[in-house]
Amino acid sequence: RKEVEQDPGPFNVPEGATVAFNCTYSNSASQSFFWYRQDCRKEPKLLMSVYSSGNEDGRFTAQLNRASQYISLLIRDSKLSDSATYLCVVNPDGIQGGSEKLVFGKGTKLTVNP
Amino acid sequence: NAGVTQTPKFQVLKTGQSMTLQCAQDMNHNSMYWYRQDPGMGLRLIYYSASEGTTDKGEVPNGYNVSRLNKREFSLRLESAAPSQTSVYFCASRVRGVYGYTFGSGTRLTVV
Repeated sequence: RKEVEQDPGPFNVPEGATVAFNCTYSNSASQSFFWYRQDCRKEPKLLMSVYSSGNEDGRFTAQLNRASQYISLLIRDSKLSDSATYLCVVNPDGIQGGSEKLVFGKGTKLTVNP
Repeated sequence: NAGVTQTPKFQVLKTGQSMTLQCAQDMNHNSMYWYRQDPGMGLRLIYYSASEGTTDKGEVPNGYNVSRLNKREFSLRLESAAPSQTSVYFCASRVRGVYGYTFGSGTRLTVV
């Protein structure tokens, strides 16, 4: 099982739709989780961290399910500007680990259509 | 307010040539990283430096060397470039703890 797995998509949705991405991780000891957004030919940028209790930032909601080892990202009321690739990111070594390497999923491509 | 600065942004090399990719951050971050990104492969870690004076191999270190010159700078060197090293290279830095990475804008390298 790969460390971080995502559905590559692509997801094509109309403006205003709600879309959800899931991501699974293999190391049950993983401590830190993130969603990044990457626009075409640009660097990845942190969208939001994912906390155990779940967290929301405007139209974006992130959830963590430790028992099933997956995280999710929900985007409500999709905008054209949400079109991008969304990367699931996990720190498999934990906050106290010496290396603090983040492992990136391959990304899920989202296109929001007018 | 520069964040992470990478140079150059674009480079074309001939097979066998050498070059150094430069990266500098002004956020006083401890950890710095070099990734490469290829279509269908996602981001793969080449080398990282958890603190000044230390470096460690990542997932794909072969053909590369790194230097953590000081807390701000972390360079990546290709000693003898190969076409398989054609890729987009990203430098990143991070503060220990729960925060994510900050990436540079990338270097697009083509080896012919």
